[in-house]
Amino acid sequence: DAGVTQSPTHLIKTRGQQVTLRCSPKSGHDTVSWYQQALGQGPQFIFQYYEEEERQRGNFPDRFSGHQFPNYSSELNVNALLLGDSALYLCASSLGVGETQYFGPGTRLLVL
Amino acid sequence: GNSVTQMEGPVTLSEEAFLTINCTYTATGYPSLFWYVQYPGEGLQLLLKATKADDKGSNKGFEATYRKETTSFHLEKGSVQVSDSAVYFCALSDRANQAGTALIFGKGTTLSVSS
Repeated sequence: DAGVTQSPTHLIKTRGQQVTLRCSPKSGHDTVSWYQQALGQGPQFIFQYYEEEERQRGNFPDRFSGHQFPNYSSELNVNALLLGDSALYLCASSLGVGETQYFGPGTRLLVL
Repeated sequence: GNSVTQMEGPVTLSEEAFLTINCTYTATGYPSLFWYVQYPGEGLQLLLKATKADDKGSNKGFEATYRKETTSFHLEKGSVQVSDSAVYFCALSDRANQAGTALIFGKGTTLSVSS
């Protein structure tokens, strides 16, 4: 039973560029959440998707956007990258909005 | 608003020592509480959870009890191993917001166990 998978594992971008991160949920899960984890900090909630709609959003600017596909996989897009966007981006999936979230290994983004 | 406060680390212990990592929370509704563990260079793994007051979550020798009266969810283990060295995160999800369920994390506590 495959767990949550994310791609790519690492990414280097320059300021002002755009990036797309991808997530495939655990088999049978229909809800995907995205988190940003800065070095030495706890993860911060970005947004959650269910039934292809954004259900809840954290305190992140509009430069952060997402999408959920009919197969429940999801993308996180970040426009106009800033140095401060350098972080580990974690995807979590759950069977339903209120259920336990299981995390993927993350994508480490470095913005130069 | 909702928040989680963890004891600051690092926590340094010898193998077979007793572990306690304190966690307290603030929530407007009736949250579920979680402990996640992060090993170096990896994502988060669910360690244990509790969904209502007085529930005890347990896994791999770790346990934590949901104490509503003290708004706490302290993590304990009777005898730690070197392989327990990792960063531990306490988290809550507040089901009061029915539209979605964000996890709110503490800052994490680094545990280092030496042989």
